[in-house]
Amino acid sequence: QVQLQESGPGLVKPSETLSLTCTVSGGPISSYHWSWIRQPPGKGLEWIGYIYYSGNTKYNPSFESRVTISVDTSKNQFSLKLSSVTAADTAVYYCARNNYGGNSAGDNWGQGTLVTVSS
Amino acid sequence: DIQMTQSPSSLSASVGDRVTITCRASQNIANYLNWYQQKPGKAPNLLIFAASTLQSGVPSRFSGSGSGTDFTLTISSLQPEDFATYHCQQSYSIPLTFGGGTKVEIK
Repeated sequence: QVQLQESGPGLVKPSETLSLTCTVSGGPISSYHWSWIRQPPGKGLEWIGYIYYSGNTKYNPSFESRVTISVDTSKNQFSLKLSSVTAADTAVYYCARNNYGGNSAGDNWGQGTLVTVSS
Repeated sequence: DIQMTQSPSSLSASVGDRVTITCRASQNIANYLNWYQQKPGKAPNLLIFAASTLQSGVPSRFSGSGSGTDFTLTISSLQPEDFATYHCQQSYSIPLTFGGGTKVEIK
């Protein structure tokens, strides 16, 4: 059973860069797309982007100027960087595995990590 | 972006009830539609992918149908553990987008 675990600072100052890492265990990072999704408190889910194990990425245009997703296959990890954060970026951030080809369904998720943007 | 609209946004139901949640896409997405269940403080859990395929381990009381723009998630007999929020998600085009969620509460 694949498990995902997010890690990174829970508090980020406005205008700084949010950085999170997702560690994948119980299976290889190869042959799948890996997503970052966020959920502001009390609100719905928002897809940020995903990366293929080869390094190819697709981003949500809403974030494209601020986001970078990278992968380190040697560590079975992928990472999110979101720059110039504001209070609106306060959310629970999830990493997830996308499965089932074009259906790109998130079949394994991390537990989520709350990131608060505040000075 | 493809907009996903779920209805209702919330509903109250009793154990044993049949519950139907709908999800409408702003354009044709064929069968590129997934359903998730989310309980408070937890990550979403995949229930159904490709509109109607049950994810492994998900009880058979959950079913999905639809294609094109209109989709439904049905719970045939609501159980206590089913009280949660349900989300639809389209994977037809980037960006992947979710519906606003449907909260199923105890009547």
